[in-house]
Amino acid sequence: IQLTQSPSSLSASVGDRVTITCRASQDISSNLVWYQQKPGKAPNLLIYDASTLQSGVPSRFSGSGSGTDFILTISSLQPEDFTSYYCQQLNSYPHTFGQGTKLEIK
Amino acid sequence: QVQLVESGGGSVKPGGSLRLSCAASGFIFSNYYMNWVRQAPGKGLEWVAYISSSSTFIDYADSVRGRFTISRDNAEKSLYLQMNSLRVEDTAVYYCMGGPGPGDYWGQGTLVTVSS
Repeated sequence: IQLTQSPSSLSASVGDRVTITCRASQDISSNLVWYQQKPGKAPNLLIYDASTLQSGVPSRFSGSGSGTDFILTISSLQPEDFTSYYCQQLNSYPHTFGQGTKLEIK
Repeated sequence: QVQLVESGGGSVKPGGSLRLSCAASGFIFSNYYMNWVRQAPGKGLEWVAYISSSSTFIDYADSVRGRFTISRDNAEKSLYLQMNSLRVEDTAVYYCMGGPGPGDYWGQGTLVTVSS
């Protein structure tokens, strides 16, 4: 299963609302997770089952979608949010990742 | 608290071998599937392999199938990745990952550099 994540990079300002999309090459139901990764660190789980917020993750993060189209939304960007984001499908092996989105300060 | 600590990374020439280890603590390691995920310098994440809780089920990415072997020792609470016939393109930080939920626990990563 291929995951196409877009955009690959995104410039935005503090307080902006942004969306990142992840499209699967076939139906993966809701078997999708979103990670945030800061430089030099392991990824951190944000969203699982496409739309369930991981415990401890700020509510400005949300996920939606099912089937082949998924969206990660950050409702009001904070300075610590400017980093990289990845989707991963867990529907079938190999558990492929999207190519990633780098969120940069405008 | 939960910890996954990788070790065994280093520099090796093309065609060489390395064995990575991941020591788990703070959770019931034997209950959960475990994975290896890697990240080449400046690149995205790539899923490498998984192993089920009792080692019954195993699978690999096509890029490493036939060269890498994943294994675990539940008594030692350890996950392993034997990497043979290493290639320059295997250069990456290797993370172990697993736990009760998807992506719950990650190690800090260990760097593998394959270069002549």
